[in-house]
Amino acid sequence: AQKITQTQPGMFVQEKEAVTLDCTYDTSDPSYGLFWYKQPSSGEMIFLIYQGSYDQQNATEGRYSLNFQKARKSANLVISASQLGDSAMYFCAMREGSYYNQGGKLIFGQGTELSVKP
Amino acid sequence: SQTIHQWPATLVQPVGSPLSLECTVEGTSNPNLYWYRQAAGRGLQLLFYSVGIGQISSEVPQNLSASRPQDRQFILSSKKLLLSDSGFYLCAWSVDQPRREKLFFGSGTQLSVL
Repeated sequence: AQKITQTQPGMFVQEKEAVTLDCTYDTSDPSYGLFWYKQPSSGEMIFLIYQGSYDQQNATEGRYSLNFQKARKSANLVISASQLGDSAMYFCAMREGSYYNQGGKLIFGQGTELSVKP
Repeated sequence: SQTIHQWPATLVQPVGSPLSLECTVEGTSNPNLYWYRQAAGRGLQLLFYSVGIGQISSEVPQNLSASRPQDRQFILSSKKLLLSDSGFYLCAWSVDQPRREKLFFGSGTQLSVL
């Protein structure tokens, strides 16, 4: 069963505007973490932001914020004031469990390709 | 600071040939290590992960194998490549931190099997 769903294969946004990338997840584990990664055309994966299932507040990292709606099982990434350098693939990912030595079972969505227009 | 090295960056191999991709991590000890594969335009699929020397967990049955001969070295291998093995291979590392454990990725290897 698909555990991470990103329904937007591609998105366009005007430079300096805000954009929201959608992510929904499915888990029965009450303890989990949600991540967003950026993958520019170079291929490297860049960590952007993390949200824990028990975190009371939505995570923010500079221009990135995570709109975490636990009851709806959604973890949308909001990028404010888009820049040309934000053009990339964006992946939502989830890790279940709260125990050490589980290994990095980070499950990724299919990604959303964001294009920022000048 | 921690760094991860992955090589080669690109590789073109004929079907049936062997494969060896290497990944090393510097600046940390006893990391968790992972191999992911990304098909063109798709998300990442976890292939193997390792929580210690000689400890390998396979997520997907296939003709690939992984080994961890040293604490900070992770190797992805195949005895005979298939066309379906083509893809972008990413090595990653993390340190234990329940739920919050984030992955740091290498620069990837683009493998083309012809």
